[in-house]
Amino acid sequence: AQTVTQSQPEMSVQEAETVTLSCTYDTSESNYYLFWYKQPPSRQMILVIRQEAYKQQNATENRFSVNFQKAAKSFSLKISDSQLGDTAMYFCAFMNFPQEYGNKLVFGAGTILRVKS
Amino acid sequence: DAGVTQSPTHLIKTRGQQVTLRCSPISGHKSVSWYQQVLGQGPQFIFQYYEKEERGRGNFPDRFSARQFPNYSSELNVNALLLGDSALYLCASSLGQGSTEAFFGQGTRLTVV
Repeated sequence: AQTVTQSQPEMSVQEAETVTLSCTYDTSESNYYLFWYKQPPSRQMILVIRQEAYKQQNATENRFSVNFQKAAKSFSLKISDSQLGDTAMYFCAFMNFPQEYGNKLVFGAGTILRVKS
Repeated sequence: DAGVTQSPTHLIKTRGQQVTLRCSPISGHKSVSWYQQVLGQGPQFIFQYYEKEERGRGNFPDRFSARQFPNYSSELNVNALLLGDSALYLCASSLGQGSTEAFFGQGTRLTVV
């Protein structure tokens, strides 16, 4: 069974600075996907960024980028130029290579990120 | 297009009662998954349905059941509620067909007293 570990329960960062959230995972599969989701106080889970395991290039989405280390089974999220609206719970998640009908997500316990002005 | 909608948004039930939660996926999405998120933890997979058939089940007791209707909407039922069932229940829809992107609703907050 796959597991996802987020070792930082809480993080804080000053507005406009950079912060990195850590995630490690365990799997015996070679093809899979990794995700970072953001859950603000509104509760809606929002996809931040996605990484395909067979792609060596790290994914980027505007101010968000990942450092994917497949051999180390590490998948960290870097947020640059932090904004107050980035304050949320961040979840790292794993998905096996999807079947025809989609596939389930395995989530970590989450990291609360607080951006301070 | 409307996103994933869940109802009700909040619910308070007494131990031993039964509850039904509802989810309408994004139009065109055929796969619906349910997750339980206990306060302070990450979501845990409960069920996945695709084309009205159960395609996956997490480690939850038989008190939990679900179904998917011809219009792809879904219901999650929980019988004999326990205090430990208090959680945010999230529904996610996806196209299926190998899609990796799941779209989440805002969840139903269930409180068992």
